[in-house]
Amino acid sequence: GQQVMQIPQYQHVQEGEDFTTYCNSSTTLSNIQWYKQRPGGHPVFLIQLVKSGEVKKQKRLTFQFGEAKKNSSLHITATQTTDVGTYFCAGPWTGNQFYFGTGTSLTVIP
Amino acid sequence: DARVTQTPRHKVTEMGQEVTMRCQPILGHNTVFWYRQTMMQGLELLAYFRNRAPLDDSGMPKDRFSAEMPDATLATLKIQPSEPRDSAVYFCASALRPDTEAFFGQGTRLTVV
Repeated sequence: GQQVMQIPQYQHVQEGEDFTTYCNSSTTLSNIQWYKQRPGGHPVFLIQLVKSGEVKKQKRLTFQFGEAKKNSSLHITATQTTDVGTYFCAGPWTGNQFYFGTGTSLTVIP
Repeated sequence: DARVTQTPRHKVTEMGQEVTMRCQPILGHNTVFWYRQTMMQGLELLAYFRNRAPLDDSGMPKDRFSAEMPDATLATLKIQPSEPRDSAVYFCASALRPDTEAFFGQGTRLTVV
């Protein structure tokens, strides 16, 4: 199936450090979504980006959509243990349905 | 509190048996997705319905998997016969439209022995 690589695949950070995950597509996207999945849980929607170069913030989380609408990033400032989980980007790589990226698993060391 | 409901939450079955997973989407959502999650393959899109019509099931092994929406309140995913490699967590998600926020159910953890 369709998948988009996210980097890094895994990230361990000390509590208080920053974290960034990147999502790269070979095709131009109409929009992109980000989800968080806690260990043992289900994906939960975080945000959707639509405009070229768009930047959105949710408290310590900053989301960016590239100018060419082919890549996106999620940056967490001063991580906390509650940020633990896997972060997925999702986009309509083909058609209208959303395919999920490979995900970045974040571990926060207290 | 609107949410997507999946049953069963856990299922252990023997190879060769039929497995049926059920999903109740959020009322008013006309878009339903089935995803499969494994460590190796991540979150794979299996099937996608809009207004109960299957629009894409290219991610689904056709010989043993089938997905249907008998009515607007029920989506089903069947595996017959099941195989050990089908062991995974199966998620159903619903959305107002294909390009809007998807709400996920808690998943069905399937183990085929």
